[in-house]
This record gives sequence, structure tokens and C-alpha cells, in this order.
Amino acid sequence: QKEVEQDPGPLSVPEGAIVSLNCTYSNSAFQYFMWYRQYSRKGPELLMYTYSSGNKEDGRFTAQVDKSSKYISLFIRDSQPSDSATYLCAMSDTGGFKTIFGAGTRLFVKA
Amino acid sequence: NAGVTQTPKFRVLKTGQSMTLLCAQDMNHEYMYWYRQDPGMGLRLIHYSVGEGTTAKGEVPDGYNVSRLKKQNFLLGLESAAPSQTSVYFCASSPRATWYNEQFFGPGTRLTVL
Repeated sequence: QKEVEQDPGPLSVPEGAIVSLNCTYSNSAFQYFMWYRQYSRKGPELLMYTYSSGNKEDGRFTAQVDKSSKYISLFIRDSQPSDSATYLCAMSDTGGFKTIFGAGTRLFVKA
Repeated sequence: NAGVTQTPKFRVLKTGQSMTLLCAQDMNHEYMYWYRQDPGMGLRLIHYSVGEGTTAKGEVPDGYNVSRLKKQNFLLGLESAAPSQTSVYFCASSPRATWYNEQFFGPGTRLTVL
């Protein structure tokens, strides 16, 4: 069993839709949670990060962590065609340098 | 600032050939990483370095070697390439201080082994 599970999609939505992207994990020691965005043929870029449980909002993006269920989510409001990318969840236990990445979910936002 | 750069961008090898991938960063970061990305597998850590002159094995180190002789450079070597090493390789770097350890990635090298 992988430490981090993420549905690869693809997920296709119309412009303006609310998008929900999710990951589950098995290691209860994970405390630091991140979302990276990767455009086609580019390297990933950090989008959001959170510590422990709760919500964090940044513009149209909201990251949510439920440690009791070992489940994290990224919500995108008013989705735009420019949001079309692969979204990778990532997490670590010590906040140090070893980070475990999910496989990524491909998102397409249609104009 | 160029950030993280990788050389080459594309390469085709025959089974048994060797090659070296070069990663360079101009952000004075302490940590550097080599990942491979395969469909459905996500990013898997091959080797990493926590400082000049140090290297350590990651999740999938077999068939690869690395060196970090200078702080700004991290080299990944394939001594005898195999078709299973066909992948997209990403180098990344991160500073020591941040708890969330933001990693800065290069543009990737697409390697095909025939």
C-alpha cells in the first residue's frame, strides 16, 4: 500500500466550477501538508502548505486537513482554464527535507 | 536568478550506455534532490544531499549514483542504463530553514532508454 493515495483523474470541469481534489494517507506521523501544481512539461511549484489539522485559504484556493480521517483536500473556487494542470499532494512527518508526494490529479478546466 | 536548471532537457540512450544529468541552482540552497516521475507513481526520491560533499539514498536509488562536489551542483549518473530507467527526472533544491520545506524544481529531463 502506498503511503499517499491520490486519484489520477483526469478531472474535467467547466469554467467557474468548484473543484475538489483529495488525498488519503496512511502514516499518522505526517504533520505537514502541501499542494504542488505542475503545468504540462514543467516542474512542480508549491501552491499551498498547512500544518496539522484545519483549513487555510489563499484567494480562490482552500486547503483542508482532517488528521482523524487521514484525508486532505484542495478546493478551487471559480475555476479558470489557467488552473488546468496536475495537482500533487505532498506531506512529511518531521517538517524536514523528506517529503512524500502523491501521484497527482490531472485537472482540465474547459472555457 | 535562473533558479534550478537541468541539463540536458532530452536524451535517448541505448541499454548499457552511461550518462550524467547535471542540476544547478543559484539560490544558495543547502538541500538538493533527484526525483523520477512515472505515470501513476508520482515523484519518487532517488538520492538527496543535505550539503556540499554529502549524499544519501532515497526511495529508489538502485542503478543511480550522485555527487555534490559544489554546493550549487548536484549530478545524477546512470552507469549502465536500462529500459526501466525511462522516465522524467526532476532536480529540486530547498533552503534549510522553512518547516514546510518548499522545494524548487527544475524543468525536468526526459530520458528514454531503448
